[in-house]
Amino acid sequence: NAGVTQTPKFQVLKTGQSMTLQCAQDMNHNSMYWYRQDPGMGLRLIYYSASEGTTDKGEVPNGYNVSRLNKREFSLRLESAAPSQTSVYFCATTLTDTYEQYFGPGTRLTVT
Amino acid sequence: QKEVEQNSGPLSVPEGAIASLNCTYSDRGSQSFFWYRQYSGKSPELIMFIYSNGDKEDGRFTAQLNKASQYVSLLIRDSQPSDSATYLCAVWPNGQNFVFGPGTRLSVLP
Repeated sequence: NAGVTQTPKFQVLKTGQSMTLQCAQDMNHNSMYWYRQDPGMGLRLIYYSASEGTTDKGEVPNGYNVSRLNKREFSLRLESAAPSQTSVYFCATTLTDTYEQYFGPGTRLTVT
Repeated sequence: QKEVEQNSGPLSVPEGAIASLNCTYSDRGSQSFFWYRQYSGKSPELIMFIYSNGDKEDGRFTAQLNKASQYVSLLIRDSQPSDSATYLCAVWPNGQNFVFGPGTRLSVLP
């Protein structure tokens, strides 16, 4: 089992460009999350999906959109990238009954 | 705003010593508490979770929870250089999403 996978691993964008970060899980978990991690600020929740077909905003949703394509896949889209979106992005899934959370390997995004 | 606070460190301990990592949280309704380890350049990895007041032991790791004081800690016994990492405290406030602390960087010196 691969667990949680993310693509791409690294990306460099110019200001104003768009891109989609992909996340897939084979753990059969209902809940999926997108976080960003910046130095000294811990993990901040961007969007989450409690189940297939639902999505909700987290702490820092501005500038992002998400799609829960099916139970396995949850994508994060940057429509017009800004330097402030330079960060490491993590996708995660959560066990419904224990709230144990499992993370993907991350995507390092640089916006110039 | 719900907050989770941790000492940023770095916390340096000699090999074989006990490392003590502390975390406080603001939401009294929080029900579940988690410790993640994150090596540099890697993703967070769950190492312990605790729901009830008291201690929970798993190998060299012990999580301690005191809900009255809104305090959770992680003890690492017989610390090894391979324990050198950033440790993230995460709290699940009842019915809400995770709130993560900023992490404490631990350095175990050979």
